[in-house]
Amino acid sequence: EIVLTQSPDFQSVTPKEKVTITCRASQDIGSSIHWYQQKPGQSPKLLIKYASQSVSGAPSRFSGRGSGTDFTLTISSLEAEDAATYYCHQSSGFPFTFGQGTKLDIK
Amino acid sequence: QVQLQESGPGLVKPSETLSLTCTVSGGSLNTFYWSWIRQSPGKGLEWIGFIYYIGTTNYNPSLKSRVSISLDTSKTQISLRLNSVTAADTAIYYCARLSPRGDAFDIWGLGALVTVSS
Repeated sequence: EIVLTQSPDFQSVTPKEKVTITCRASQDIGSSIHWYQQKPGQSPKLLIKYASQSVSGAPSRFSGRGSGTDFTLTISSLEAEDAATYYCHQSSGFPFTFGQGTKLDIK
Repeated sequence: QVQLQESGPGLVKPSETLSLTCTVSGGSLNTFYWSWIRQSPGKGLEWIGFIYYIGTTNYNPSLKSRVSISLDTSKTQISLRLNSVTAADTAIYYCARLSPRGDAFDIWGLGALVTVSS
């Protein structure tokens, strides 16, 4: 099983700040990493697929990078509505797995 | 616009079978993979398995001996059955669509909370 480890687990951030979340895979997964945003009481929403591909409807301030084992999700200028938990997910091998999540709190 | 809606009992007794249905509206099941994912209270996401529109399945080995996913194309429904449940199976269960490449979950249902308790 491919283990995904996110860092940090929690971050308190201020509006307009640049935020970077890291996801590290236990083995090479190419670019088969996808990022989701989950707000309290809601289901996850796809933000980025295949490490860096934007998806329709996701704000342009969200971007992704990486390949192999190390990946990042960046929010270029944080907005209050970005308070949520962010998860990475790998589709390189079965079973599909998720990172443990990174919770962003807005100061 | 495709939407997914989970339904089923919110309370299941230990050792019994959890059964949920996901109804797809605004589209057909064709060309996509349909998946179940769960989230235990206050915890992260766990992939349960998926079914391809032609009926091929793939399950998480951690649940494979207890889980079954099926579909009814005429009703555009996907069903989940998880038997011999325990309190550890208490979770929000999500139905989600995988793109035709079988990669990212691009549409999710609202989720259904299932509590296992006597």
